[in-house]
Amino acid sequence: DVKVTQSSRYLVKRTGEKVFLECVQDMDHENMFWYRQDPGLGLRLIYFSYDVKMKEKGDIPEGYSVSREKKERFSLILESASTNQTSMYLCASSPATGGDEQYFGPGTRLTVT
Amino acid sequence: QQQVKQSPQSLIVQKGGISIINCAYENTAFDYFPWYQQFPGKGPALLIAIRPDVSEKKEGRFTISFNKSAKQFSLHIMDSQPGDSATYFCAASRSRSGANSKLTFGKGITLSVRP
Repeated sequence: DVKVTQSSRYLVKRTGEKVFLECVQDMDHENMFWYRQDPGLGLRLIYFSYDVKMKEKGDIPEGYSVSREKKERFSLILESASTNQTSMYLCASSPATGGDEQYFGPGTRLTVT
Repeated sequence: QQQVKQSPQSLIVQKGGISIINCAYENTAFDYFPWYQQFPGKGPALLIAIRPDVSEKKEGRFTISFNKSAKQFSLHIMDSQPGDSATYFCAASRSRSGANSKLTFGKGITLSVRP
């Protein structure tokens, strides 16, 4: 089974802190994605990566950055957390070929106070 | 601009009934249309998907109907069960691989199946 793990299920940070959300997948997938999920807004793509050290902006990249130094790991960074970044963050991965299915992790519920 | 629109926003169905969720898209370049199911505390998981070369795909109690000319697709859940209560997202993407494999999601709909 494909497994996507996220470093924390719940996280509470203060405004202005630098926050790292980590995601690891064990299926050698080329593509990795970060979404945020908010009630009434669905899933919105923040950043994605289709290769090591490659990244592309999604629909809402402002206030976020990402890092992908190894194929299996994709990190989301909030340089200076703000209260409007309180949300559920979901990581996903997919293979480059053979289909478009994305496999999601369980999510990290981030609260910024 | 919302490229993928779901309706209704929420749905309550009696056990044994048919649940129908609709999705409309705008980009005619989309060629992959999945439905994802999400239970509380879990990430979304692929339920069923269709490509525009067929008009319908069935997997057990779940069916996708696709109307290319109307740019719409729908999910039908037959004999709905309380265990189907979840959030359902439709999505669309353009291509099978690389940078174009990103999905555009609808806003999601909460389905409640009453016993």
